[in-house]
Amino acid sequence: AQRVTQPEKLLSVFKGAPVELKCNYSYSGSPELFWYVQYSRQRLQLLLRHISRESIKGFTADLNKGETSFHLKKPFAQEEDSAMYYCALVSYNTDKLIFGTGTRLQVFP
Amino acid sequence: DTEVTQTPKHLVMGMTNKKSLKCEQHMGHRAMYWYKQKAKKPPELMFVYSYEKLSINESVPSRFSPECPNSSLLNLHLHALQPEDSALYLCASSQASLGVWDEQYFGPGTRLTVT
Repeated sequence: AQRVTQPEKLLSVFKGAPVELKCNYSYSGSPELFWYVQYSRQRLQLLLRHISRESIKGFTADLNKGETSFHLKKPFAQEEDSAMYYCALVSYNTDKLIFGTGTRLQVFP
Repeated sequence: DTEVTQTPKHLVMGMTNKKSLKCEQHMGHRAMYWYKQKAKKPPELMFVYSYEKLSINESVPSRFSPECPNSSLLNLHLHALQPEDSALYLCASSQASLGVWDEQYFGPGTRLTVT
């Protein structure tokens, strides 16, 4: 079954600390994975996708097929990073975006 | 215009009412989506329209009726809803390129309360 797992509901760090939001997936074949972010009172938006290998707002994510993971990392968290983060994969069989349950990141000053 | 807009922002309706949610985009996208998002949960796909034709219905109850009158507009007609249907309803759109997954752009949502 295709599934995305985000084990942490809440992650709290202080400003300047490193951040890692965990994401594991279950998918037969080559997955395409994404991180979406939802800031308070703002719409859901794409943060990054694994095929583009970009760094957006200082965040990076590497696809590890051996560990079936796509963890989101940032070396130095900022207060404005506080938001809800969803890991997602696209199922090419069904053309659907499958979201994980989300991790709320709180960055304290 | 690079946004997906949704109206109304908030809607309160009784279980016997009929109402509609509206979604609009002018990015030339040919795929449009309805999602339902309960509090502190991820979005759940409800419907997908591709080139104005319904391509995916995720076994949604018939009290939800989607409509795509043209490539820019997507409606969700609501009738005889239940209190458990209260949620944030998100619309999204994407390019619908063949064989390639395109980024979905989300609207701000309509917060629906069924009383």
